[in-house]
Amino acid sequence: KQEVTQIPAALSVPEGENLVLNCSFTDSAIYNLQWFRQDPGKGLTSLLLIQSSQREQTSGRLNASLDKSSGRSTLYIAASQPGDSATYLCAVDPRSNMLTFGGGTRLMVKP
Amino acid sequence: DTEVTQTPKHLVMGMTNKKSLKCEQHMGHRAMYWYKQKAKKPPELMFVYSYEKLSINESVPSRFSPECPNSSLLNLHLHALQPEDSALYLCASSPYVTGTGLETQYFGPGTRLLVL
Repeated sequence: KQEVTQIPAALSVPEGENLVLNCSFTDSAIYNLQWFRQDPGKGLTSLLLIQSSQREQTSGRLNASLDKSSGRSTLYIAASQPGDSATYLCAVDPRSNMLTFGGGTRLMVKP
Repeated sequence: DTEVTQTPKHLVMGMTNKKSLKCEQHMGHRAMYWYKQKAKKPPELMFVYSYEKLSINESVPSRFSPECPNSSLLNLHLHALQPEDSALYLCASSPYVTGTGLETQYFGPGTRLLVL
């Protein structure tokens, strides 16, 4: 059974810092890996999707990498802002349409 | 329209009540999902519909009954729920392009359910 772990569980940083969120998964047979953002009490917003054949994806200040062989992904956030405060979830799709989520990293960016 | 809508936003029900959650999307997606999310936990997949047919049921108790009347609508019928079923229920949809790894899921805002 696929297991997804995210470290750290919580992170508090001052505004402007570059930061890295980590995600690891136990089964490397995946179709893709996705990073989502969730604000308190709200739904999930897709940030980046990396196909299993890709190594990284970038969107604005966000960069996500994927090392399938080692079962790891990182989400890099450059120049963090208070508006980035949220819970960040990674999810792997071991076969079509079946996401398994990690426990999330709760990020607080202080002004 | 790139939105998944869910109604109601909040729902309080007793253990003997029957209620329904509704989800709608108009992006032409052919896969739709129900997830359950407890506080400070990640979402857990409950059901997947592909082309209006139930394709995945993750061993969900029968007191939860999904229904997909057409390609835009997804319902979750609730009956005889327990207090531990209180959670945020999320609906999602995605284009159904099997095997390409391109299936980004779009989530609705959720229905917060409280069972008394």
